[in-house]
Amino acid sequence: EPEVTQTPSHQVTQMGQEVILRCVPISNHLYFYWYRQILGQKVEFLVSFYNNEISEKSEIFDDQFSVERPDGSNFTLKIRSTKLEDSAMYFCASSGTSGVDEQFFGPGTRLTVL
Amino acid sequence: AQSVTQPDIHITVSEGASLELRCNYSYGATPYLFWYVQSPGQGLQLLLKYFSGDTLVQGIKGFEAEFKRSQSSFNLRKPSVHWSDAAEYFCAVKRAAGNKLTFGGGTRVLVKP
Repeated sequence: EPEVTQTPSHQVTQMGQEVILRCVPISNHLYFYWYRQILGQKVEFLVSFYNNEISEKSEIFDDQFSVERPDGSNFTLKIRSTKLEDSAMYFCASSGTSGVDEQFFGPGTRLTVL
Repeated sequence: AQSVTQPDIHITVSEGASLELRCNYSYGATPYLFWYVQSPGQGLQLLLKYFSGDTLVQGIKGFEAEFKRSQSSFNLRKPSVHWSDAAEYFCAVKRAAGNKLTFGGGTRVLVKP
């Protein structure tokens, strides 16, 4: 069964450093998403990406964040200068040919900023 | 703005007993509604979804949910819980136009033998 994969499973970084979280969406999917969950809080939408551009983003997704689909398989989330409050579980998701299709989630990357 | 409330943070249920998880949403029109489950170390797996039509929807793993427009609710039920159902359950809503899922805070289910 196809699945969304994410690497690494856990990333530890120093405050101010850049991190790149990687995701491989399901191969024939066209819509891609990042969500995050700060410990003890709700899962929050960050951004959606379609046709090589951002289709929707939340107020959390400021200039410190960027997304990219560098090739035909990967989808990345970059945080340019990490802050302590960026520590969270980051989930990648993808969905098929329509925005109403089910979003399939990866297992997440736990980011710890020290 | 749309929002989702799951009033129960934790629920403990005996194996074989029935389970009901509550979800209330706030949204101007009928949203698309979802229930996801997250087992430890796993991603979010879709249990079921409601877009339109029959207000009682069946999902995987023996779960069902009922949409009640008058109560702005979408409660999840299972008649007989198995130990493997211990997990965290998330209700989510989405506008018909747009891709963003808005999640509730989750309900952690513990299953007693």
